Amino acid sequence: LAKTTQPISMDSYEGQEVNITCSHNNIATNDYITWYQQFPSQGPRFIIQGYKTKVTNEVASLFIPADRKSSTLSLPRVSLSDTAVYYCLVGAPENTDKLIFGTGTRLQVFP
Amino acid sequence: KAGVTQTPRYLIKTRGQQVTLSCSPISGHRSVSWYQQTPGQGLQFLFEYFSETQRNKGNFPGRFSGRQFSNSRSEMNVSTLELGDSALYLCASRDEGQTLNEKLFFGSGTQLSVL
Repeated sequence: LAKTTQPISMDSYEGQEVNITCSHNNIATNDYITWYQQFPSQGPRFIIQGYKTKVTNEVASLFIPADRKSSTLSLPRVSLSDTAVYYCLVGAPENTDKLIFGTGTRLQVFP
Repeated sequence: KAGVTQTPRYLIKTRGQQVTLSCSPISGHRSVSWYQQTPGQGLQFLFEYFSETQRNKGNFPGRFSGRQFSNSRSEMNVSTLELGDSALYLCASRDEGQTLNEKLFFGSGTQLSVL
């Protein structure tokens, strides 16, 4: 199983760019990297998914180096509403039982 | 499309009782997964159902069971409740047809408190 390591918490201020790095040294060839966001008392919400290089959507960017042993979620110009827990998952999407959420990174955005 | 719907939103039970939680996936999604979330253990996978069959199972005791109906709705049952079963139970559905972006869509969960 591809275990992930993320910082437990991060602080930022509104308008700043936030980068959250996830380590996954034993990622397998067919594994994807997926990030979810979770607010208190709600289910996680999909943010972005990638396999290699860079992926960008309307809310975030995902940077994956060539060796794929880590990935970085980039949130541009965060706002107070981005305060949440962010989970990095590594695995083949069809292997639901192998998708380990871990403890996530608690991001606190201050005004 | 409506999102994943879980009922009830909150539930209070006592030790030894049993409980049934319900999940209605997004229309067209045939895969339904269940997760338990606690402050100490985080999000843990319980099981996944696809086309009325359990496809994957996590490392939970037999007191935790589930089933899926022909309309893809799923129920999860916990028998002989223990204090440690107090948690947020989350259901997620997935569109099997998207091979490159098979993201999970989660419901808001059922907050179970065992007294």
